[in-house]
Amino acid sequence: QKEVEQDPGPLSVPEGAIVSLNCTYSNSAFQYFMWYRQYSRKGPELLMYTYSSGNKEDGRFTAQVDKSSKYISLFIRDSQPSDSATYLCAMSGGSSNTGKLIFGQGTTLQVKP
Amino acid sequence: DGGITQSPKYLFRKEGQNVTLSCEQNLNHDAMYWYRQDPGQGLRLIYYSQIVNDFQKGDIAEGYSVSREKKESFPLTVTSAQKNPTAFYLCASSMRTGGVGSPLHFGNGTRLTVT
Repeated sequence: QKEVEQDPGPLSVPEGAIVSLNCTYSNSAFQYFMWYRQYSRKGPELLMYTYSSGNKEDGRFTAQVDKSSKYISLFIRDSQPSDSATYLCAMSGGSSNTGKLIFGQGTTLQVKP
Repeated sequence: DGGITQSPKYLFRKEGQNVTLSCEQNLNHDAMYWYRQDPGQGLRLIYYSQIVNDFQKGDIAEGYSVSREKKESFPLTVTSAQKNPTAFYLCASSMRTGGVGSPLHFGNGTRLTVT
């Protein structure tokens, strides 16, 4: 079983839809949770960063962390064609982790006009 | 503008040849990383360095080598011993040495094709 699981999709939605992207993980020591967005043939860019449990909102993006369920989510409201990309979750934490980020496989999202 | 520069963007090599991928950062970050990205497998850590003249193996270091002679530079050599070298290679850096919780900043990658 992988430490971090992410549905690879692809996920296709119409413009304006609410998108929900999710990751589950097995290591209860993880404390730092990130979402990266990667456009085709580009490097990933940091989209959201959260520590421990709770919600964080930034414009149309909301990140949620539920440590009790070992589940994190990224919501995109009013999705736009420019949101079409691969979204990677990543996490780290715990004494055995040494700070290395563990990535999910990435979910490919297409927003159709 | 601060950032990470990877060159070249595309690289083609014949099987059996070593090849070196360049990574330079001007973010004044202590830590640097090399990842490999294959379809459906996410990012896998090859090597990382937390300080000049020191580096550690990641999860898939076999067939790769690195050096860290300068803070700004972390080149990756893909040797002929790497059995499946064709992939998208990403270099990254982070601010804090030891980096628990530090987000990574990525370059735009080098796509290596070996035939």
